[in-house]
Amino acid sequence: QVQLVQSGPEVKTPGASVKVSCKASGYTFTTYGISWVRQAPGQGLEWVGWSSARSGNANYAQKFQGRVTMTTDPSANTAYMDLRSLRSDDTAVYYCSRRRNSHGFDLDYWGQGTLLTVSS
Amino acid sequence: EIVLTQSPGTLSLSPGERATLSCRASQSVDSIYLAWYQQKPGQAPRLLIYGASNRATGIPDRFSGSGSGTDFTLTISSLEPEDFAVYYCQQYGSSLSYIFGQGTKLEIK
Repeated sequence: QVQLVQSGPEVKTPGASVKVSCKASGYTFTTYGISWVRQAPGQGLEWVGWSSARSGNANYAQKFQGRVTMTTDPSANTAYMDLRSLRSDDTAVYYCSRRRNSHGFDLDYWGQGTLLTVSS
Repeated sequence: EIVLTQSPGTLSLSPGERATLSCRASQSVDSIYLAWYQQKPGQAPRLLIYGASNRATGIPDRFSGSGSGTDFTLTISSLEPEDFAVYYCQQYGSSLSYIFGQGTKLEIK
């Protein structure tokens, strides 16, 4: 069965960086993309970006351009999201999800989420 | 950029009732790129509907999606206790980006 397992919770100070991992299993990693979505406490869903597991190409939401890098390691079936220059409003649960490369490119399986807390 | 507006913000219904959730886009979207997700407290979202009207794997047939252009609807024909959750619509756009609506909370009356 398809599973996405994310790394554990992180606590960072403002200005620091964080790298969240997402290990996939149960499907051929390179035939799908990985998208990242975050959810601040009590708020809705906000798309951060996605990366192709096959090519490594990535596309980011404009508000994160320059602060985020998404990569994939097909040899480890793992995707990574690196977020830099952290601010308190980056505090959120970050989800990875499998991005279908057909249909409407929807997000059909999700990881359990990684809580990032940014606080001095 | 397209904005998705969901209504109502909160919907209070009883088990067995019919739920109708709306998602309106600020400009016309291709229905193939319109999806709905369900999120329960403390859980990740789950894909319910893709392509505006196609149920995802394992989704019960009491869930249905419809609509085109700027107006889309998620209908739950007869609410079960496990259906009370927050529902999000989502659109995949020409800039290869994803936009979510603000969500509708479906609560037990």
